[in-house]
Amino acid sequence: AQSVSQHNHHVILSEAASLELGCNYSYGGTVNLFWYVQYPGQHLQLLLKYFSGDPLVKGIKGFEAEFIKSKFSFNLRKPSVQWSDTAEYFCAVLRGSQGNLIFGKGTKLSVKP
Amino acid sequence: SAVISQKPSRDICQRGTSLTIQCQVDSQVTMMFWYRQQPGQSLTLIATANQGSEATYESGFVIDKFPISRPNLTFSTLTVSNMSPEDSSIYLCSVANSNYEQYFGPGTRLTVT
Repeated sequence: AQSVSQHNHHVILSEAASLELGCNYSYGGTVNLFWYVQYPGQHLQLLLKYFSGDPLVKGIKGFEAEFIKSKFSFNLRKPSVQWSDTAEYFCAVLRGSQGNLIFGKGTKLSVKP
Repeated sequence: SAVISQKPSRDICQRGTSLTIQCQVDSQVTMMFWYRQQPGQSLTLIATANQGSEATYESGFVIDKFPISRPNLTFSTLTVSNMSPEDSSIYLCSVANSNYEQYFGPGTRLTVT
């Protein structure tokens, strides 16, 4: 069965620091990968997705992620975080053609002003 | 993107009672899902709500406990039956477009005492 691992439970950074959040998935075939963000008190929002093509995908708010098939990874990055990036970040993989997502446990990001 | 509303936004219920959560989407969608997010945990799929037929439940979730209705392509309900404190959670409705991008409702925060 497919699964997603996010190894960082809570990351604390100062503003302007660079961010990289880890995500590893278990399935060895074709995968469709997503990063979602949940700001305090708000809905889950789609940050970016990878389906095929360029393994470096760019999302909203300056985030990007790189799909590395050999490492089963899809890490999220941002060169310089802001206080407003404080949120919980979820990596997810699409489960086949059923359309639902399998989520990682999430990483809470706290950015100190 | 779809706009999803859920009612109620939160509730406190006594054990042994049932609560029905409503999910309304502003456009017709084929794929609709119900997830649960327990405190400190990730999102877990409860079931896929199928229009005009019985919902498809994930392992560990049964129709008697979580009956789901989907009378049309814009509306669904999830009932949490015979509640116990272990059912305290956030329940989320989501829909997917033809690109498998999922959009989430604001969630219903349920506390069972």
